[in-house]
Amino acid sequence: DGGITQSPKYLFRKEGQNVTLSCEQNLNHDAMYWYRQDPGQGLRLIYYSQIVNDFQKGDIAEGYSVSREKKESFPLTVTSAQKNPTAFYLCASSRSVGTGELFFGEGSRLTVL
Amino acid sequence: QQQVKQSPQSLIVQKGGISIINCAYENTAFDYFPWYQQFPGKGPALLIAIRPDVSEKKEGRFTISFNKSAKQFSLHIMDSQPGDSATYFCAATFNFGNEKLTFGTGTRLTIIP
Repeated sequence: DGGITQSPKYLFRKEGQNVTLSCEQNLNHDAMYWYRQDPGQGLRLIYYSQIVNDFQKGDIAEGYSVSREKKESFPLTVTSAQKNPTAFYLCASSRSVGTGELFFGEGSRLTVL
Repeated sequence: QQQVKQSPQSLIVQKGGISIINCAYENTAFDYFPWYQQFPGKGPALLIAIRPDVSEKKEGRFTISFNKSAKQFSLHIMDSQPGDSATYFCAATFNFGNEKLTFGTGTRLTIIP
């Protein structure tokens, strides 16, 4: 089945540690995205990528980093510089940026202890 | 200018009733308005979308009403069912969807028997 796979589903980390969230898609989509979801704040865009080896900052990129070495993969690293990293992180893809239909993974919930 | 304001934040409707969620926007360049549905622990999925050249779009029990002059659009769920209980996000983009989506803050809908 085609889709977006995010891992891990739940993750705990101590303050000061970097953590990497995995996102893989087999939809052959060019564009991939990372969103952060917090209660009452909707979905906020962290980073997005339109093609391999290229990515752009979204609205809340500070404290995060990404890479896009393969079309299928778009990992997100939450660095120790992110002041409030506890959140639900969603990865998504689309045929190209702005087609309007995003396909989301099931999310990764990160808790910083 | 890029914001999409969504209300209410939460909504409780009796089974069989009509659920109504409203969104307002400022950027008159927006030209594509999708709604996403998210069940607990899952990623959002596209539910229905509308372009401003029509005032209404209906798919089954779900209808989008669009008021271009008021810069508002709304989702109506007729004959609401417990299975409709979810979080709903409105969104907007422009340039016929060639730009990133801007999401509303979400509405948590609960349908009670």
